[in-house]
Amino acid sequence: GAGVSQSPSNKVTEKGKDVELRCDPISGHTALYWYRQSLGQGLEFLIYFQGNSAPDKSGLPSDRFSAERTGGSVSTLTIQRTQQEDSAVYLCASSSPAGIYEQYFGPGTRLTVT
Amino acid sequence: AQSVSQHNHHVILSEAASLELGCNYSYGGTVNLFWYVQYPGQHLQLLLKYFSGDPLVKGIKGFEAEFIKSKFSFNLRKPSVQWSDTAEYFCAVNANAGNNRKLIWGLGTSLAVNP
Repeated sequence: GAGVSQSPSNKVTEKGKDVELRCDPISGHTALYWYRQSLGQGLEFLIYFQGNSAPDKSGLPSDRFSAERTGGSVSTLTIQRTQQEDSAVYLCASSSPAGIYEQYFGPGTRLTVT
Repeated sequence: AQSVSQHNHHVILSEAASLELGCNYSYGGTVNLFWYVQYPGQHLQLLLKYFSGDPLVKGIKGFEAEFIKSKFSFNLRKPSVQWSDTAEYFCAVNANAGNNRKLIWGLGTSLAVNP
């Protein structure tokens, strides 16, 4: 079946602009996660959704970052007033109700802020 | 705070050599442990996992890992690597507490296998 999809695959934006990153989880997966991978760094947890609610937003680095999930499916990660340090690969993962700890990853969105 | 350490950042091996990648974590409670792999140009995918039971777990492609609770370790092993094992390997830990679902990740180990 279809895996996790993310769009766009690449995004180049100017410092100060807002960007929206989209994640389409595997159908039926109730949990959705956003991570960030910066050059030379491991994956950094950003936010976790269970259904449409976000029980854990502890990883969002600043109030410029926000995320929402609608219909228990698609999620959007928004970064306002982008900064150069926001440049990274943003990864989305989803997991099923049965395998809540087993996360399936999308291909990521590579964000470059110039 | 929880953390995960992968001791080897870059490993270069010849085919048929044995592999062991170290992973240590800091958390005193019950944990779920994972190894993920990212082949060149591909998504992260689960290699193996440990939740409970036998501390020696077997994953795909001949990989195995051993959970040693007293050492807070979950090292990945493969007796004989192949060129196709060239990839980035990540260790991840989930603290099994309440509704905590997030994974804490190591920095990854880049493995290059020479034919």
